[in-house]
Amino acid sequence: ETGVTQTPRHLVMGMTNKKSLKCEQHLGHNAMYWYKQSAKKPLELMFVYNFKEQTENNSVPSRFSPECPNSSHLFLHLHTLQPEDSALYLCASSQAQGPGFNEKLFFGSGTQLSVL
Amino acid sequence: AQKITQTQPGMFVQEKEAVTLDCTYDTSDPSYGLFWYKQPSSGEMIFLIYQGSYDQQNATEGRYSLNFQKARKSANLVISASQLGDSAMYFCAMREGLGAGGTSYGKLTFGQGTILTVHP
Repeated sequence: ETGVTQTPRHLVMGMTNKKSLKCEQHLGHNAMYWYKQSAKKPLELMFVYNFKEQTENNSVPSRFSPECPNSSHLFLHLHTLQPEDSALYLCASSQAQGPGFNEKLFFGSGTQLSVL
Repeated sequence: AQKITQTQPGMFVQEKEAVTLDCTYDTSDPSYGLFWYKQPSSGEMIFLIYQGSYDQQNATEGRYSLNFQKARKSANLVISASQLGDSAMYFCAMREGLGAGGTSYGKLTFGQGTILTVHP
């Protein structure tokens, strides 16, 4: 069983819908991440949370709204998305020890999102 | 400019043979780390191997080894004795800003990936 669980695995939504992606990590890590994986493009970092504080927002449109209520849970709230937002959304966690350390990211299986 | 370049969209290898997946990177930071991840069809990204910019030896993890050529800025993944279960997408990634004052934490920049198919 993976240490990072994402739900739902698949999501189809209309452009006017509001939905949320959920991520839970069981590894005791203190940092969590959202990545977007579009077809034919490299993975793009969206958000980073370190000790529940958002430390990075990689110029993500406001129709994506992250929430990190505690170090084990991470949400991505979606509203008024566009068809080009269709992608695999991957959550990851790590034990961040600050600069100079090699911490591995542990990923979930992702949510495959289709926006109609 | 792309920071991570994987020039092989797809690779094929016979079972039990070795295969090399190419990765070149671009950074002016003297401190950085290079990672390889495997993504099977299930979608999960699985960490394979890591190489630090100051590591003297090439990294090895079981059947995986990293051919690190710093002057050429390349970090190729070598998989020995390929297995059918190795068929997947493989991503090279880099983390910069690892020196004093760096603030990148776990931020990784990924390449576009290489699809590896292992034939029986």
